[in-house]
Amino acid sequence: GQQLNQSPQSMFIQEGEDVSMNCTSSSIFNTWLWYKQDPGEGPVLLIALYKAGELTSNGRLTAQFGITRKDSFLNISASIPSDVGIYFCAGYHSGANSKLTFGKGITLSVRP
Amino acid sequence: DVKVTQSSRYLVKRTGEKVFLECVQDMDHENMFWYRQDPGLGLRLIYFSYDVKMKEKGDIPEGYSVSREKKERFSLILESASTNQTSMYLCASSRVNIQYFGAGTRLSVL
Repeated sequence: GQQLNQSPQSMFIQEGEDVSMNCTSSSIFNTWLWYKQDPGEGPVLLIALYKAGELTSNGRLTAQFGITRKDSFLNISASIPSDVGIYFCAGYHSGANSKLTFGKGITLSVRP
Repeated sequence: DVKVTQSSRYLVKRTGEKVFLECVQDMDHENMFWYRQDPGLGLRLIYFSYDVKMKEKGDIPEGYSVSREKKERFSLILESASTNQTSMYLCASSRVNIQYFGAGTRLSVL
C-alpha cells in the first residue's frame, strides 16, 4: 500500500531553535496534512495543503506542498517547550475512498 | 469546533473479555475511523465506515469488529481481548479529507 516516509524517528532541539521536517512518498498526493499529537492525547490538525507549491502558515508553523506532489515540509520557528510532541504527516490521493495515509511520525523534544 | 468523544481515556481488561470502545462525533460527518497506535508503528487503520450500517476493513481488522447503528456513533468491539491488543486506540471522523481525532483510549489487556 501507500507509504509516507518521515525521518528521523526522533529529533532533539534547543528552545528557540528552528526545526524542519519533511515527508516523502513514492506516489502523488492531492492533499497533505500535518498533525501534532501531544503526549496522551489524540492528533490535532495543524495545517492542510491542497495545491502543489502551496505555502501555508499557522503562527510559528509553515508548511509547503511540494511541487512534485510527492513531498511536503513543515517548519517550526523559534521553538518553545510546548512544541514537544509527535508530528505526523498525512496524505490523501484520489481513489483512496477518504482513507488517509499517515507517516509514522517524528517525536520532537525541546530542551529548555 | 468539531468534537470527537471517546467514552474512556483508560481501560484495563482481562484476556478473553469482550471489550467495547465507543466513539461519538457531533459534526454530522459521514466517515468514521478506528486506528490503533503503537510505538514505532504509527497509526494503523482497523476499520472505517462511510455511512450508517456500513463498514470496511482497514489494514489490521483481525480480532476486531465494529458497529455503526447511528451516524454519530461508531463502536469498536474486541470479541475476546488478547494481550497483543494492548494499545492506544484512536477514533476519527471526516466529511471529506480532513480527519478529526478523539483523545484516544489507552487499553491494557492483562
